[in-house]
Amino acid sequence: AQSVSQHNHHVILSEAASLELGCNYSYGGTVNLFWYVQYPGQHLQLLLKYFSGDPLVKGIKGFEAEFIKSKFSFNLRKPSVQWSDTAEYFCAVTMYSSASKIIFGSGTRLSIRP
Amino acid sequence: EADIYQTPRYLVIGTGKKITLECSQTMGHDKMYWYQQDPGMELHLIHYSYGVNSTEKGDLSSESTVSRIRTEHFPLTLESARPSHTSQYLCASSEPATANNYGYTFGSGTRLTVV
Repeated sequence: AQSVSQHNHHVILSEAASLELGCNYSYGGTVNLFWYVQYPGQHLQLLLKYFSGDPLVKGIKGFEAEFIKSKFSFNLRKPSVQWSDTAEYFCAVTMYSSASKIIFGSGTRLSIRP
Repeated sequence: EADIYQTPRYLVIGTGKKITLECSQTMGHDKMYWYQQDPGMELHLIHYSYGVNSTEKGDLSSESTVSRIRTEHFPLTLESARPSHTSQYLCASSEPATANNYGYTFGSGTRLTVV
């Protein structure tokens, strides 16, 4: 069955550190890829998405993600994190063959030390 | 095992009909959400609730309405379905932010087709 794996359950960083959150999916066909963020007390928000074209996607708040098809990966990055980036981050995939189904990873909780 | 349940899984209905999509969760979560997702696209928040008798509209305008009379139940209603309502509707709930977890749990979705 198709799945999305987020390797890190909880990541703790200091402010200004660089961030990379891993995401791998298991599906050999065409995919659309997403990163969502949930800030404490708020609902899920879209950070960025990849449909086609340039595999390096830039999102809001300085986040970017790179789609590496050969590795089935879509890792999220930010060069310098801020305390306000404390949140839970979800990777998600929809597959061309079943585009109505969105599969979420289990989430990575990011804690930033001031 | 605690979970979140949506019914029906698939629904095909004629234009003008009234429909209610059901969503129930057994986890005691206060916060519940409805998202709309077109095939292959991202989620759009259409309604949310932070507890009993609390409902708010989300980021995407929707002609649907919701109610929250009980903590575990958050149904979504379309008074008069139209083809433009054809989409997938995902229900979710979340725990209060704590030191250990503030993640989401999603239902399996309702795929609605209005003909």
